[in-house]
Amino acid sequence: GAVVSQHPSRVICKSGTSVKIECRSLDFQATTMFWYRQFPKKSLMLMATSNEGSKATYEQGVEKDKFLINHASLTLSTLTVTSAHPEDSSFYICSANTGVGYGYTFGSGTRLTVV
Amino acid sequence: DQQVKQNSPSLSVQEGRISILNCDYTNSMFDYFLWYKKYPAEGPTFLISISSIKDKNEDGRFTVFLNKSAKHLSLHIVPSQPGDSAVYFCAAHQGAQKLVFGQGTRLTINP
Repeated sequence: GAVVSQHPSRVICKSGTSVKIECRSLDFQATTMFWYRQFPKKSLMLMATSNEGSKATYEQGVEKDKFLINHASLTLSTLTVTSAHPEDSSFYICSANTGVGYGYTFGSGTRLTVV
Repeated sequence: DQQVKQNSPSLSVQEGRISILNCDYTNSMFDYFLWYKKYPAEGPTFLISISSIKDKNEDGRFTVFLNKSAKHLSLHIVPSQPGDSAVYFCAAHQGAQKLVFGQGTRLTINP
């Protein structure tokens, strides 16, 4: 089946630094990938839709200059949290659409802790 | 505006009994509905889905029911097993548009 690999699974960084999270589709091509954020005991909040070869589409309230998304190839999308602050600490998850309906496959997530 | 709602934040069920998780939606244009299972610090895992043209889909111990007139869907797990303890999210989408998730329901299966 379709697999989405997300890396790293866990990262701790200092305030003010930037962190890059990678999301790869391993056995299929993904023209569209999605980045979610989950706060403790909350639902998954869609942050942005990553489009291969074009600019990402950000959801309302998400700072595009803070959460940089690059989708340079059909198998890789990256999310860079720039100038990270403790309030950016969260669980970030990517997903890719392999087709209609059940075709959304999720990565294993990245736990970001900013100290 | 919460288009997909799971009004029960938690549910506790005895092992071997039936677990019923509920989900309501407001957008009548949704044409596909999905259920995901999630463990802490992991990404969601797809469980089962249903198209809006159907009212039932079954896969092993999991059955999803869709009531379009009530804009309601439910996930039945029978018999419930301890390994089913997790957070369950329902989600919906229209065409190739983004998935919209409910708030999740934490299911605990008691031995």
